[in-house]
Amino acid sequence: DAGITQSPRHKVTETGTPVTLRCHQTENHRYMYWYRQDPGHGLRLIHYSYGVKDTDKGEVSDGYSVSRSKTEDFLLTLESATSSQTSVYFCAISVDPTYEQYFGPGTRLTVT
Amino acid sequence: DAKTTQPPSMDCAEGRAANLPCNHSTISGNEYVYWYRQIHSQGPQYIIHGLKNNETNEMASLIITEDRKSSTLILPHATLRDTAVYYCIVRVAGYGGSQGNLIFGKGTKLSVKP
Repeated sequence: DAGITQSPRHKVTETGTPVTLRCHQTENHRYMYWYRQDPGHGLRLIHYSYGVKDTDKGEVSDGYSVSRSKTEDFLLTLESATSSQTSVYFCAISVDPTYEQYFGPGTRLTVT
Repeated sequence: DAKTTQPPSMDCAEGRAANLPCNHSTISGNEYVYWYRQIHSQGPQYIIHGLKNNETNEMASLIITEDRKSSTLILPHATLRDTAVYYCIVRVAGYGGSQGNLIFGKGTKLSVKP
């Protein structure tokens, strides 16, 4: 357990509405990540952060934005949710010096 | 694409050792072998990683062949709670961000039976 929490754990929203998912860590790790997991695709990296206000895109970043104003919080925003963004979203941190990643419990998002 | 090959499924009797194989024939000299598992509906859980020497921790042992083209994860006394999908991942260590990105393949579904 690397002190990672995600909120909300479950959310149902309508197409076109904005949604923000929060990842919170308690141990001041520099790197934080957002993944999504879908049947047949495994886990795919959306965005990651390497410090406060420092973020970069991953493999499937279209339709998502992120922000990190504090070390402990990494927010994932869907500006206008679509049904294709129905998924399970996992946050992760990586630990110095070998950067193995530890994952949060996940957020199940359903866009109707 | 994942750089590893794993059997899609395996069974193991409770209390016995579970030996999960992984082929990574194109592994580079600076790439480590990582193992993760995912129990149904939970986030992936880090198990162990290694470069070329065998490694052991409280969860498992990792045996890497001398040519580093394959490895085996060993759960010494499997329990029902070890039922999960196990992922073998090859990546460069020492980097976060995109260089340290984990690429998950399909993994091996391990079923531990009473």
